[in-house]
Amino acid sequence: DTEVTQTPKHLVMGMTNKKSLKCEQHMGHRAMYWYKQKAKKPPELMFVYSYEKLSINESVPSRFSPECPNSSLLNLHLHALQPEDSALYLCASSHIGDSNQPQHFGDGTRLSIL
Amino acid sequence: QKEVEQNSGPLSVPEGAIASLNCTYSDRGSQSFFWYRQYSGKSPELIMFIYSNGDKEDGRFTAQLNKASQYVSLLIRDSQPSDSATYLCAVNSEAGGTSYGKLTFGQGTILTVHP
Repeated sequence: DTEVTQTPKHLVMGMTNKKSLKCEQHMGHRAMYWYKQKAKKPPELMFVYSYEKLSINESVPSRFSPECPNSSLLNLHLHALQPEDSALYLCASSHIGDSNQPQHFGDGTRLSIL
Repeated sequence: QKEVEQNSGPLSVPEGAIASLNCTYSDRGSQSFFWYRQYSGKSPELIMFIYSNGDKEDGRFTAQLNKASQYVSLLIRDSQPSDSATYLCAVNSEAGGTSYGKLTFGQGTILTVHP
């Protein structure tokens, strides 16, 4: 079990649906991240939040909308996704202080778009 | 474009042998280096990190860093079948002067330890 909890573990949705992925950590980390990982590929950074503010958006399509309601929670709102968006979505968190802080990953949400 | 390259796999070693995983990176400003292990269908798990030149040991794992050569490696001693996984090298560079960094991953090396 990891200290970063992601729900749901699996999600199947149609292209017209709206759903949300959730991530929670209680390690006191003030940086939180969303990654996308396709099969047999490394994780790709999507968004970074620091102190609950969006700091990095890696040119992610607007059908992905992140939200950080407080220091422990990170959401990813999904709308009008495409089949190519099917992937493992990983949340990670780390301390802020210097770039040496390791990132800790949750178990991920496996998303399938029909 | 910051790049991280890992030795092409898959790598197959017998049980009890030393597995050697290598990684090079292009950004000389990189500050810290991480090795993640990822079992099939699971999320990456942090197993080692290193910031300073030299060796860092943790149990059966040794990370080696040479910043002059822009090279980082992971040695796994007494390899076990349970070590069979994909090993991801990740390099952390400060993102525009911020204090949290950005991870750039290599493509991963698949390690198989056979009995």
